[in-house]
Amino acid sequence: AQSVTQLDSQVPVFEEAPVELRCNYSSSVSVYLFWYVQYPNQGLQLLLKYLSGSTLVKGINGFEAEFNKSQTSFHLRKPSVHISDTAEYFCAVIRAGDDKIIFGKGTRLHILP
Amino acid sequence: EAQVTQNPRYLITVTGKKLTVTCSQNMNHEYMSWYRQDPGLGLRQIYYSMNVEVTDKGDVPEGYKVSRKEKRNFPLILESPSPNQTSLYFCASMTKGTSKYNEQFFGPGTRLTVL
Repeated sequence: AQSVTQLDSQVPVFEEAPVELRCNYSSSVSVYLFWYVQYPNQGLQLLLKYLSGSTLVKGINGFEAEFNKSQTSFHLRKPSVHISDTAEYFCAVIRAGDDKIIFGKGTRLHILP
Repeated sequence: EAQVTQNPRYLITVTGKKLTVTCSQNMNHEYMSWYRQDPGLGLRQIYYSMNVEVTDKGDVPEGYKVSRKEKRNFPLILESPSPNQTSLYFCASMTKGTSKYNEQFFGPGTRLTVL
């Protein structure tokens, strides 16, 4: 069965510090990977996606993620966070040959002044 | 403006009273999906549709129905709502072009309370 694990439910980080939000998945076949962000009281919007090709993917707002097939991970990083990055972040997976979309439980990013 | 709309945005109802949450997109997307969001559980897919007249169960379909008679609309039907269906519901749509899977566009959400 396919699953997505976001290891941290909450991550506090000081403003201008780097951050990494972790995402691991389990699948016996190829996967397509996504990170979405949900700002307070809003819907979700796409940060970045990995479909194929380069394993380092750059997204909006200075975020990037690296697909690691051997570790089945797709961790999200930003070198310097801003107060406006306060949000909940969701990792999502689509398995090749399937059309279901599985989301992780989310990670709340708290930016400390 | 490209968008996904949902109605109503807020709904309080009672157990057993049938309700429908509408979802419409103006981007000619093939793929549409319904999710529920609950604290600590993230988003869970209820149903999805690959195209008109094609629907499939997601991870939590029990207690819900959907239909896809037109490409732009994908209503979510709760025939006999129960309190455990109190949740925040999101509709989303996505094109399935040459990249196969693309960005999902999400509606603003419908907050449903079942008493």
